[in-house]
Amino acid sequence: AQSVTQPDARVTVSEGASLQLRCKYSYSGTPYLFWYVQYPRQGLQLLLKYYSGDPVVQGVNGFEAEFIKSNSSFHLRKASVHWSDSAVYFCAVSAPGTGSNRLTFGKGTKFSLIP
Amino acid sequence: EAAVTQSPRNKVTVTGGNVTLSCRQTNSHNYMYWYRQDTGHGLRLIHYSYGAGNLQIGDVPDGYKATRTTQEDFFLLLELASPSQTSLYFCASRRDWGVETLYFGSGTRLTVL
Repeated sequence: AQSVTQPDARVTVSEGASLQLRCKYSYSGTPYLFWYVQYPRQGLQLLLKYYSGDPVVQGVNGFEAEFIKSNSSFHLRKASVHWSDSAVYFCAVSAPGTGSNRLTFGKGTKFSLIP
Repeated sequence: EAAVTQSPRNKVTVTGGNVTLSCRQTNSHNYMYWYRQDTGHGLRLIHYSYGAGNLQIGDVPDGYKATRTTQEDFFLLLELASPSQTSLYFCASRRDWGVETLYFGSGTRLTVL
């Protein structure tokens, strides 16, 4: 079975600084990988996903993530953050094939800016 | 944009009470899911379905029933609610399995006193 670890419960940076949110997964092959974002009082929305090809995937609002198989990681990055990026970010994984009818989510990382 | 509507938005009940949470999607999606979200646990899958009349057990099913009555409607039932079921519940749908995007509703906050 697959699993996801987001080691940072909270991340805080200054406006305009760069952002990296960490995600490590456990799966023997190449999984499908996702980042979702949850803004206050809303459901989750997809930021980006990876399933094959170029390991660096681009998402909405300037976000990108890099799949590094050797490290079992799929970290999310943004070059310059804005107040509107304050949210909870979830990494998720599913297994290609018969197991891919469900996603397994990490516990989430709450991102906020230093006032 | 895919639409998933949950009702009610908030619900308060007492221990032992009977609660039904509703979810409707108008996207003609095959898969529908119920998750609960709790601090320190993230999202955990309760039940899911891949079509009317189908039900699959998720990772935390104890104390919950679910029923998919139509392609559009998926219900979560708590027949004897307990305080441990106080949580934020999300419904989601997607067209198919694999890399298809999950579309979430806005959530139902349930409080069991």
